[in-house]
Amino acid sequence: GQQLNQSPQSMFIQEGEDVSMNCTSSSIFNTWLWYKQDPGEGPVLLIALYKAGELTSNGRLTAQFGITRKDSFLNISASIPSDVGIYFCAGQSLIQGAQKLVFGQGTRLTINP
Amino acid sequence: DGGITQSPKYLFRKEGQNVTLSCEQNLNHDAMYWYRQDPGQGLRLIYYSQIVNDFQKGDIAEGYSVSREKKESFPLTVTSAQKNPTAFYLCASSALSASYEQYFGPGTRLTVT
Repeated sequence: GQQLNQSPQSMFIQEGEDVSMNCTSSSIFNTWLWYKQDPGEGPVLLIALYKAGELTSNGRLTAQFGITRKDSFLNISASIPSDVGIYFCAGQSLIQGAQKLVFGQGTRLTINP
Repeated sequence: DGGITQSPKYLFRKEGQNVTLSCEQNLNHDAMYWYRQDPGQGLRLIYYSQIVNDFQKGDIAEGYSVSREKKESFPLTVTSAQKNPTAFYLCASSALSASYEQYFGPGTRLTVT
């Protein structure tokens, strides 16, 4: 089946640093999404990307939909303690007549104050 | 408040027992989904439903069953046939017109001993 490779698996940074993570796939996706999950909670949608090449911001978050439609990255600028959590990318495509999401394995972000 | 509720938050069962996880949404979404999350892994799709009284198997449906008798409810039964049922279970919903934007509930952590 389709797979997403998300990297890095974990990051340990100082408060105030910028963060970058990415997802790649051998498959083409129609939409890329980025979610954040706090421990023991459900993922929360951060950014949705709909067109190849699209660059979208949401506050300190910026994400891009790769022009090949096979990759996406997420940047977080000037990290703060509440950014701690697991970030997931997800690619959406039409599979067997239904729109489905395929998720990356997640990037665990830890911030040292 | 509009949203997705899952109950209970924590569930403990003995091996060999069936258990049903609840998922309710008041977002008026047509589509609903069940995912399983294991430590260090992304979300894997168990079942999904796009309309009432219809549902489809996801990538890991073996040992699970669902029903969709009402638009707002999509309960998941973990049967005794599921070989490794201990996991974090997440329910999501989306509008069919924007099925890539899936919104998640808070999750149920199931422990089977």
